[in-house]
Amino acid sequence: QQQVKQSPQSLIVQKGGISIINCAYENTAFDYFPWYQQFPGKGPALLIAIRPDVSEKKEGRFTISFNKSAKQFSLHIMDSQPGDSATYFCAAYHSNTGKLIFGQGTTLQVKP
Amino acid sequence: NAGVTQTPKFQVLKTGQSMTLQCAQDMNHNSMYWYRQDPGMGLRLIYYSASEGTTDKGEVPNGYNVSRLNKREFSLRLESAAPSQTSVYFCASRRPLGSSGNTIYFGEGSWLTVV
Repeated sequence: QQQVKQSPQSLIVQKGGISIINCAYENTAFDYFPWYQQFPGKGPALLIAIRPDVSEKKEGRFTISFNKSAKQFSLHIMDSQPGDSATYFCAAYHSNTGKLIFGQGTTLQVKP
Repeated sequence: NAGVTQTPKFQVLKTGQSMTLQCAQDMNHNSMYWYRQDPGMGLRLIYYSASEGTTDKGEVPNGYNVSRLNKREFSLRLESAAPSQTSVYFCASRRPLGSSGNTIYFGEGSWLTVV
């Protein structure tokens, strides 16, 4: 049973466009929701994160939108650039257990 | 990737062989994790250790064992490797939440092929 569901599996966006990746979780005990960026041959690296008491967090071109009642959150990449081409993972963290559970990943390709 | 070192980076095993993946962090973190990454499956948690001396099962623990040797080191052992364990394995360590910036640090990954 996948505790964190991510969509789409792949995404192609033109340079300058908006990339949107969605995630849904089941366990309401999750209390921290990070997004990770991974380039080929490398480990994932934290991109941006949000806590459930906040509905939106923005860092530069990256924004997380969080809907606690729907148990959904999304990553928006504004003005997408070819250098943003990577695999993106959403995740959910359970502070009581220390578990960090990932979504299935989205491969983003930004065309020049 | 700062501070998390995994060895080996590449390994080919025959079915039934055993091996240990080593992981060490020098950031004085309490929590450490082992994940496997497969196409279309994302990163799945195998085992984690909230602190020295404790380990807990994650999403896919079958076929694996772990040892938290000390605060720095967290090893993953495959007792009898199977082709289904062909994957990329990532070790990670975590500093406490509440600190700004990165909370989870990943190693560079270990590519394991079981033939």
